[in-house]
Amino acid sequence: QQQVKQSPQSLIVQKGGISIINCAYENTAFDYFPWYQQFPGKGPALLIAIRPDVSEKKEGRFTISFNKSAKQFSLHIMDSQPGDSATYFCAASTNSGYALNFGKGTSLLVTP
Amino acid sequence: EAGVAQSPRYKIIEKRQSVAFWCNPISGHATLYWYQQILGQGPKLLIQFQNNGVVDDSQLPKDRFSAERLKGVDSTLKIQPAKLEDSAVYLCASSFGTGGRNEQFFGPGTRLTVL
Repeated sequence: QQQVKQSPQSLIVQKGGISIINCAYENTAFDYFPWYQQFPGKGPALLIAIRPDVSEKKEGRFTISFNKSAKQFSLHIMDSQPGDSATYFCAASTNSGYALNFGKGTSLLVTP
Repeated sequence: EAGVAQSPRYKIIEKRQSVAFWCNPISGHATLYWYQQILGQGPKLLIQFQNNGVVDDSQLPKDRFSAERLKGVDSTLKIQPAKLEDSAVYLCASSFGTGGRNEQFFGPGTRLTVL
């Protein structure tokens, strides 16, 4: 059972555009929502994370928007660059639990 | 700081054979995880160790998968016998502490192909 649902499965964006990836969850006990970036042949790497006590977190060109009532969160990549081309995974966990529950991933391609 | 090391990087075996993967976590990281990542999906936790004790192995197919963490440092994951559906990338990760908010650092993974 997929605890975190991610969309779209793939995304093509022109250089300089905005990439948006969405995730939804059901378990209200989740209280930590990280995004991981994975390049081919590499393991996932933490990109940015948010806790539900804030509605938005920004780090450089990357922003997480969080809607607690809708149980949704999204990643926005501003001024997308070809080097951002990778697979992005949203995840969720509880601090008392241990497992990261990952979405299925979004393959992002940023064209020159 | 050295990252999480895994070996081998690639392995091809016949079904019903056995295979073992090795992981060396980041120095000082008490928590070690093994994930299975099937093509087109997100990583799925197989087992989590805190030092050399098992914290969570609820999704580990125990009839064929086993894992151990020696002296609370290195870990091995074994599959015996392998099935076609075990074809996946096996990722090892480590974190300094326990709890979902501790950043997990992933190794490059071992890509297993079962023929």
